[in-house]
Amino acid sequence: DIQMTQSPSSLSASVGDRVTITCRASQSVSSSLNWYQQKEGKAPKLLIYAASSLQSGVPSRFSGSGSATDFTLTISGLQPEDFATYYCQQSYSTPRTFGQGTKLEI
Amino acid sequence: EVQLVQSGAEVKKPGESLKISCKTSGYTFTNNWIAWVRQMPGKGLEWMGIIYPYDSDTRYSPSVQGQVTISADKSISTAYLQWNSLQASDSAMYYCVREGRASAGDYWGQGTLVTVSS
Repeated sequence: DIQMTQSPSSLSASVGDRVTITCRASQSVSSSLNWYQQKEGKAPKLLIYAASSLQSGVPSRFSGSGSATDFTLTISGLQPEDFATYYCQQSYSTPRTFGQGTKLEI
Repeated sequence: EVQLVQSGAEVKKPGESLKISCKTSGYTFTNNWIAWVRQMPGKGLEWMGIIYPYDSDTRYSPSVQGQVTISADKSISTAYLQWNSLQASDSAMYYCVREGRASAGDYWGQGTLVTVSS
């Protein structure tokens, strides 16, 4: 199985900040890396697919980059609604695997 | 509009069986893989397995292989997750999710909370 490791596990930031979350795969996943946002009590929401493609309807302040084993999610200009938990997931092979999550707090 | 609507919350006793459902609409059911994802209370997302409704090709995570069964009924565009003998450790929120472009989970069900307690 491919292991996904996110850092940091938690992050404190303020409205307007630029934040970066990192995800590392235990082996190359090419560009098959997705990012999700989950708010408390809600289902996850797809933000970024294929490492850098913005899902329809997602604000452009979200961006993704990387390939092979190292990926980043960047939120430029944090908004109050962005405080949530973020997960990376590889879709290169099964079993698909998620990172452990990054909780973004005010 | 693509929708995945899951069955309601369940409270079961250890050893009981259970089958939860994920009814889809708004797209051709047989064209996309459907996955099941578990989230234990206060924990992260755990991918359980996936099915391709066209031919029922199914893959499981090693962590749940043999513990659950994933199935699909093309006639009613519905996917299922089934247990033959529940354990307390199966208490969790379960999500179904459609895989779209680049095999990313683009549409999610609202979740089904399963509580297993004696």
